[in-house]
Amino acid sequence: ETGVTQSPTHLIKTRGQQVTLRCSSQSGHNTVSWYQQALGQGPQFIFQYYREEENGRGNFPPRFSGLQFPNYSSELNVNALELDDSALYLCASSLGDWQTQYFGPGTRLLVL
Amino acid sequence: AQSVTQPDIHITVSEGASLELRCNYSYGATPYLFWYVQSPGQGLQLLLKYFSGDTLVQGIKGFEAEFKRSQSSFNLRKPSVHWSDAAEYFCAVGARGATNKLIFGTGTLLAVQP
Repeated sequence: ETGVTQSPTHLIKTRGQQVTLRCSSQSGHNTVSWYQQALGQGPQFIFQYYREEENGRGNFPPRFSGLQFPNYSSELNVNALELDDSALYLCASSLGDWQTQYFGPGTRLLVL
Repeated sequence: AQSVTQPDIHITVSEGASLELRCNYSYGATPYLFWYVQSPGQGLQLLLKYFSGDTLVQGIKGFEAEFKRSQSSFNLRKPSVHWSDAAEYFCAVGARGATNKLIFGTGTLLAVQP
């Protein structure tokens, strides 16, 4: 059984650019959540996808968007990057609400 | 609104000593409560969780936590720390009836002295 994987591991972008981060959920997991972890902070919930639909969102602007595919893998897209978007982006998969969430190793994004 | 406070930013303990990491939460009802550990370059790993029932919860790696409703606390304990326990520890809460949204504290960085 493979765990949650994320790609790329590191990424450098410039302000105003767009970025796509990818997450492959653990086998059979139909729910994926995304979190942003700024340096020295705890993770902050961005949104959650369940069976290809967004079903929960944190306090993030619309330029943060996502997708979930039929195989339950997911993408996080961020448009018009700002310096404050520099962070570790984590995805977590689970078998549904309040089942154990398994986190991936994250993608570290640096915006210059 | 829900919130989580971890008062200790950094803790250093000697190997073999006992450990207690503090966590206080703010929530109108009984929340779901979690402790996660994050090692450098790795994602978060669930140590234990409390949903209901026995207020003393056993987790992996010899950790336990106790839910105290009167103090709005969910402190993490380990009787004897190992050097491999050095990592960052996060307490998190979730709202019953909501999605998987976790509210995390700012974390406690644990250093273990030989």
